[in-house]
Amino acid sequence: AQSVSQHNHHVILSEAASLELGCNYSYGGTVNLFWYVQYPGQHLQLLLKYFSGDPLVKGIKGFEAEFIKSKFSFNLRKPSVQWSDTAEYFCAVNSMWGYNKLIFGAGTRLAVHP
Amino acid sequence: NAGVTQTPKFQVLKTGQSMTLQCAQDMNHNSMYWYRQDPGMGLRLIYYSASEGTTDKGEVPNGYNVSRLNKREFSLRLESAAPSQTSVYFCASQGAGEQFFGPGTRLTVL
Repeated sequence: AQSVSQHNHHVILSEAASLELGCNYSYGGTVNLFWYVQYPGQHLQLLLKYFSGDPLVKGIKGFEAEFIKSKFSFNLRKPSVQWSDTAEYFCAVNSMWGYNKLIFGAGTRLAVHP
Repeated sequence: NAGVTQTPKFQVLKTGQSMTLQCAQDMNHNSMYWYRQDPGMGLRLIYYSASEGTTDKGEVPNGYNVSRLNKREFSLRLESAAPSQTSVYFCASQGAGEQFFGPGTRLTVL
């Protein structure tokens, strides 16, 4: 079955530290890739997405992600985190059964300390 | 433009009770989804609807039913609630390849 793996379940950083969250997916065909963020008590919001073209994708709030097809990876990065980045981050990939369905990873909880 | 709305925000049920979660979107999207979110498991798809009048099972459909009432509304029904259905439920709609999520319903089944 198609799956999405997020390697870090919990990450704790100090403000200004750099962030990289790993995401690997199992489907080998053409994929659309997403990172969503869920701030405490809120619903999921899209951070960034990759459909095609430049494999380095820039999103909102200074986040970026790099699609490496040979590694089936779509890692999320931010050079300098802020306290307000404390949230849960979800990687998602379109299902092999159709572009209208997403498969989500288990999520990574990020806590940023001032 | 409210996006995706859900009611209720919170609900407590006893085992065996039934209830319907409501979802509506005002973005004129064809596709709508119901997910459940459990700690450490991400979001899992319960049911989805590719267009008005069609519904399909997702990854975890057992114990649930859905109705796509019209293009705007997509409801999720628990006929006989079980403690295993304690979760946070999110509705979403899709447009331009992106899914937009509602605020969620936190359901507790005692």
